[in-house]
Amino acid sequence: EIVLTQSPATLSLSPGERATLSCRASQSVTTYLAWYQQKPGQAPRLLIYDASNTATGIPARFSGSGSGTDFTLTISSLEPEDFALYYCQQRGNWPLTFGGGTKVEIK
Amino acid sequence: EVQLVESGGGLVQPGGSLRLSCAASGFAFSSYEMNWVRQAPGKGPEWVSYIGSSGSKIYYRDSVKGRFTISRDNAKNSLYLQMNSLRAEDTAVYYCARFSAWNWFDSWGQGTRVTVSS
Repeated sequence: EIVLTQSPATLSLSPGERATLSCRASQSVTTYLAWYQQKPGQAPRLLIYDASNTATGIPARFSGSGSGTDFTLTISSLEPEDFALYYCQQRGNWPLTFGGGTKVEIK
Repeated sequence: EVQLVESGGGLVQPGGSLRLSCAASGFAFSSYEMNWVRQAPGKGPEWVSYIGSSGSKIYYRDSVKGRFTISRDNAKNSLYLQMNSLRAEDTAVYYCARFSAWNWFDSWGQGTRVTVSS
């Protein structure tokens, strides 16, 4: 099973600041990595797929990069609605796995 | 608009059974691969099971193999998860999630809560 390790666990930032979230895979997933946002009481929402492609309806301030084992989600300028939990997920191998999450909180 | 509505969750004793359902609308259900994903309290999501569009291809995570059965009825636009021999560690919110054309979870239901406790 591929283990995804996300860092940091918590990111304390102010609106307007840049957020950089990391996801490291225990083995290569090439570019088969996605990022999801989850708010309390809601299901996850797909933000980025195939490491760098933005999902439909997702604002341009969200971007993804990386390949192999190291990936990054960047939020260029945090909006109030961006404070949430973020998970990475791989589909390079079964079982599909998620990372442990990064909470982006208001500083 | 894509809609996925889960039902069937509840409180069950260890060793008991539940059958979850997911009613799909707003898209051509029979053309899409589907999944069940669960999320235990305070934890990240965990993929549980996958079924291909025709139902012929099925995968499970190891911890539920032999206990859970995924199925679908394309005529009824519905996805199911039969859960037997339930354990405390199966306690979670269970989501049905659609696979996009690129095999990512692009649509999710609101979830149904399963609690396994005596």
